[in-house]
This record gives sequence, structure tokens and C-alpha cells, in this order.
Amino acid sequence: RKEVEQDPGPFNVPEGATVAFNCTYSNSASQSFFWYRQDCRKEPKLLMSVYSSGNEDGRFTAQLNRASQYISLLIRDSKLSDSATYLCVVNGAAGNKLTFGGGTRVLVKP
Amino acid sequence: DAGVIQSPRHEVTEMGQEVTLRCKPISGHDYLFWYRQTMMRGLELLIYFNNNVPIDDSGMPEDRFSAKMPNASFSTLKIQPSEPRDSAVYFCASGQLTEAFFGQGTRLTVV
Repeated sequence: RKEVEQDPGPFNVPEGATVAFNCTYSNSASQSFFWYRQDCRKEPKLLMSVYSSGNEDGRFTAQLNRASQYISLLIRDSKLSDSATYLCVVNGAAGNKLTFGGGTRVLVKP
Repeated sequence: DAGVIQSPRHEVTEMGQEVTLRCKPISGHDYLFWYRQTMMRGLELLIYFNNNVPIDDSGMPEDRFSAKMPNASFSTLKIQPSEPRDSAVYFCASGQLTEAFFGQGTRLTVV
């Protein structure tokens, strides 16, 4: 089993709609969680950290469920510019290495 | 700061040749990571350093791969000899525990 797993998608989303997707992680001792965004042929960039209490940044909401070992990302009022691959990242208990999921591709269409 | 700087941006080489990828991290960052990205396998951590010391190289695929960080401002990833299956985008990232900043990557093609 992979340490961090994501549905690869693509999620085809009408402009203005809401989309949500999850990421599961295998190590229950994982300490930190993040969502990164990667545009086509570009490097990944931090979108937001994920806190235990859940957090929101504009149209983006991240949640952490430690009991079930998953994190989620919800995007409201989707924009065309939200089309990208969203990478789930976990900072594991065994050293401070950032482990990436395979990414979820989101395509927002007019 | 210019961010993480990688060179070259693109590299095409013949099978069997030695390839050296270079990375200049952001000044002040304690961690440096080397990742490889392919369509099939996604983003894989190859090795990471903390304060110039290699901490975990379990992701290095085999002995053909080696990485060094002689000082806080420079790291290399070397493949010798290169093989076609090494073709990928290689990213270097630097950061602290809370965030990693990526370079633009080196697109390696081994023919």
C-alpha cells in the first residue's frame, strides 16, 4: 500500500461548481499535512497547510480526519484557473520527509 | 531571493553517459530534497538532506544514482551510467519542516 493515495481523476467541474476530493495516508503517526498545486509542466507549489481543526483560505477548505486517516480539499465557486493537479503531502513520523500522493487532476470547464 | 535554482533545465543524453543535475537551494533553508516525477510513478522522493547531511536515501533507485551536498548552497544528483528509464523530470526543493519550495526542474531525456 502506498503511503499517500489519491484518486487521480480527472474531476471535470463546471465553472462555478463545488468540487471535493480526499487523500488517504497509511502512517497513523504522520504529523503534518499539506495540499500542493501543480500546473502542467510546472513545479509544485504550496496551496495550504491542513490543520486539525480544519482551515479555510478563500474558496478553498481543507479538513483532516485523523481517525480515518484522510485529508480533504474542497473548492467552492470553481474558476477556470483552478484547473491543475492537486497533490496531497504528508510529513511522516519517520524523519522529516515530505511524501507526496500521486495527485488529483481537476479540470474546470466553462 | 531568486528561489531554488536548478540546472540544466533540459538535458538530452545518450544511454551510458554520466548526467549531473545541479541545485542551489534558498539561503537559510535547512532541508534539501531531490524528487523525480514521471507519469507512471508520480512524484517520488529520492533523497533528502538536513544541514547538508543525507538523512534518507531509501528512494534512490539503485547504485547508479548518487547525491551530494558539499555545502549549504549547492547540491548535485548524478546518474552514472544513465539509462532510458531514467527519463523524467527531476525536482530539487528546499525548505523547513512546514513547507518545501521547488525549483523549476530538470527535464532529463535519455535516448
